[in-house]
Formats: sequence, structure tokens, C-alpha cells
Amino acid sequence: GQNIDQPTEMTATEGAIVQINCTYQTSGFNGLFWYQQHAGEAPTFLSYNVLDGLEEKGRFSSFLSRSKGYSYLLLKELQMKDSASYLCAVRFGGWGKLQFGAGTQVVVTP
Amino acid sequence: DTAVSQTPKYLVTQMGNDKSIKCEQNLGHDTMYWYKQDSKKFLKIMFSYNNKELIINETVPNRFSPKSPDKAHLNLHINSLELGDSAVYFCASSQDNGENTDTQYFGPGTRLTVL
Repeated sequence: GQNIDQPTEMTATEGAIVQINCTYQTSGFNGLFWYQQHAGEAPTFLSYNVLDGLEEKGRFSSFLSRSKGYSYLLLKELQMKDSASYLCAVRFGGWGKLQFGAGTQVVVTP
Repeated sequence: DTAVSQTPKYLVTQMGNDKSIKCEQNLGHDTMYWYKQDSKKFLKIMFSYNNKELIINETVPNRFSPKSPDKAHLNLHINSLELGDSAVYFCASSQDNGENTDTQYFGPGTRLTVL
């Protein structure tokens, strides 16, 4: 399978900004998703990028550079409820076959 | 509520048993998936069905057999359960049609523990 790399854990304080990077092999790339997963719960959709550039959705933004095989998820004005695992998932080829990274555990401290 | 639902939420069973997990979606999607999330939190696709037809079949032991009676349901039957099958199994659905990508929506998960 394709390697999808993201940091294991990041810690930040309430109100701060955190950027989670994700790198992937570019061959066969067909879209990139970010999901949030709280402990013991299902992954929930945050953002989707297929073209280069920045997608902004409230406090969350996601950036993609297809030529570099790179994406980041930016979380602004961190809140305690943002403590969760953030999963980078890349679609390679057709039929929704998503390859997930191992997830980045974000810990928000008071 | 419109959603992806799975039953049961928890499943504890002995090695060697056969068990099934059911999944239903009322989002009107054509494509459904089964994922396995192991103790290291890696989420890996197992199967995908589009309109009741098998589209993706990853290298999963043939003890695992998905069944899609209609496009709103995708069940997972597991024979001769092994300790290594212990994981959380997530069902998901999307409007993916092979060319256009759509968001996958996940069910709440089934935590399977094999003793």
C-alpha cells in the first residue's frame, strides 16, 4: 500500500493553533480527506481536498499540494473538545479506496 | 435519524465461534464499506460493495464473508474467530461511483473481543 505519514501526537494549549502535516506518495492520488475521531467513537468528516490550495471551514482549514504529496490540517482557536485523533486519508485510484494514516493524537491542555 | 447504523455495538465471543455484524444506511448511498481498526488505531479497508456488487476485496482471510442483500445493507460474517480478529469494525457508506469521490460516512463501530 501507499505510505501515509503523519505525526503521532501533538500537544497545544486552549486558544492556540496547531498544524498537523500529512505526506503521501503521489502516484495514483485522487483526493485527500481529513477525519476527526474521538476515543471510542466513529471517524467524522472534516474536510476534502482534491485541488491545490486551502479549504477553510470555520476553525478548521486544510491545505493540499499535489506535486509535493503534502497536506496539512490547521486547527485554530483550540478548544478542549478538539482533543481527538485526526486521520489523514488518501484516495488512490477509483471506488473510494481510502488509505488512512495512523492518526495524530492532539491533546489540548488548559 | 439519517445515518449509518451497526449492530451489535459490542461483541464478546470465544475463539472458533461464528458471528455476524449488521450494517444499514439510510443516506441513499450506493457504496458501502467495511473497515477494521486494530489496537494501534490503523483503519484499514476490508471490503466495498457498490449496488450489491463486490468492488474492493483487500487481502482478508476468507473466514470473512460480506453479504449485501440490497444497497442499504452490508453485513459481515466471520467464521472460526481467532484472537487476532479482536478489533473495532466500522461500516461506512458514500455516493462514490468509481469516478467521482464522495465523503464516506462511518457507523458507530462494533468492538469485537475474541477470548
